[in-house]
Amino acid sequence: QKEVEQNSGPLSVPEGAIASLNCTYSDRGSQSFFWYRQYSGKSPELIMFIYSNGDKEDGRFTAQLNKASQYVSLLIRDSQPSDSATYLCAVNMGDSNYQLIWGAGTKLIIKP
Amino acid sequence: EPEVTQTPSHQVTQMGQEVILRCVPISNHLYFYWYRQILGQKVEFLVSFYNNEISEKSEIFDDQFSVERPDGSNFTLKIRSTKLEDSAMYFCASGRDRETYEQYFGPGTRLTVT
Repeated sequence: QKEVEQNSGPLSVPEGAIASLNCTYSDRGSQSFFWYRQYSGKSPELIMFIYSNGDKEDGRFTAQLNKASQYVSLLIRDSQPSDSATYLCAVNMGDSNYQLIWGAGTKLIIKP
Repeated sequence: EPEVTQTPSHQVTQMGQEVILRCVPISNHLYFYWYRQILGQKVEFLVSFYNNEISEKSEIFDDQFSVERPDGSNFTLKIRSTKLEDSAMYFCASGRDRETYEQYFGPGTRLTVT
């Protein structure tokens, strides 16, 4: 059974601090890794994707990938109350061209 | 900025009835997907569609479900003989290409089966 695991939280972070979200995956063949943000009652919104080992930065967001450890993380710098949401990690299945496997999400709360 | 749109936003149906959920993907995208999310649970892949045919489907996507691209813009999910456990948010997504796997979601249709 191919799995994507995330700590459900909630993770509470003070405004202005760095929020660190983590995800592990079981399929060594996975090649593409995504972070989506989902506000309550809304659809997932793609915020970051990463395909290669290392770091990828986009504004306040940094995705980090370590394929050897099967670990992907998302850092949010200068956290804002509007960042409060559930963050979903999604990973493509290595033997699939299309199917994404999703984690259950980490609920992030930014406290003013 | 182009968006995926879905209609209706909320559909209530009686058990045993058929429903059709509609999606308009982003216009230059070639890959289309349906997902569902039962309240409080993970997003689950249902099906992907490319070049006017199903490219992949999950175990959830059994004979009760079908998809169609009836014209150049719409992408539909039909659920026959609905059951109580089909109640969920159904999301349509589209992607520009397969190599990057990026998928952009519509706002969803909340299906309630009574």
